[in-house]
Amino acid sequence: NAGVTQTPKFQVLKTGQSMTLQCAQDMNHEYMSWYRQDPGMGLRLIHYSVGAGITDQGEVPNGYNVSRSTTEDFPLRLLSAAPSQTSVYFCASSYEYGEAFFGQGTRLTVV
Amino acid sequence: GENVEQHPSTLSVQEGDSAVIKCTYSDSASNYFPWYKQELGKGPQLIIDIRSNVGEKKDQRIAVTLNKTAKHFSLHITETQPEDSAVYFCAAMLDFGNEKLTFGTGTRLTIIP
Repeated sequence: NAGVTQTPKFQVLKTGQSMTLQCAQDMNHEYMSWYRQDPGMGLRLIHYSVGAGITDQGEVPNGYNVSRSTTEDFPLRLLSAAPSQTSVYFCASSYEYGEAFFGQGTRLTVV
Repeated sequence: GENVEQHPSTLSVQEGDSAVIKCTYSDSASNYFPWYKQELGKGPQLIIDIRSNVGEKKDQRIAVTLNKTAKHFSLHITETQPEDSAVYFCAAMLDFGNEKLTFGTGTRLTIIP
């Protein structure tokens, strides 16, 4: 019963590098989202998807890219990492009108 | 867009006492209000939720109340235990169909043994 799986758990990047944060869910959920969590700011929505092939921007989308080629996977791409992207990233999935299940998070540091 | 404010940011209570965390939201069209608990190093986990057609919901020691007129909702934890120590987040969902949650800034609850 894996639920939502995020990889990697920790990552250090240099400014300007690119990388992909992976997210996979095995619950056949239509809806998937990416949030970032910063101290004192709660969780802020980066991008979300209502189904395979459909994505849209959230509150803080700049510097991030997403795609949803399958129901199970929703990777988040950092195009050119900046120190301001140092954060903890969470992926979530849910059915329509349902409970959102979160992954364990990826702690990213950009130096 | 929706804006959710959460108070207090930190809360310490004696074991066995009650804890109350309050949230307000800005958009009267919001109709789903979940509460999440986040333990250290883990992702948030839903503990209780309430929809706009209900004023109160209970689950054992946890209850949530909703006042749609005032646009605020609260989490009540009774008979607190050490394992209740965590960060709690409220959230509001503006629009069913895209599952976009707007979160409060969190409350760090510490239970003093």
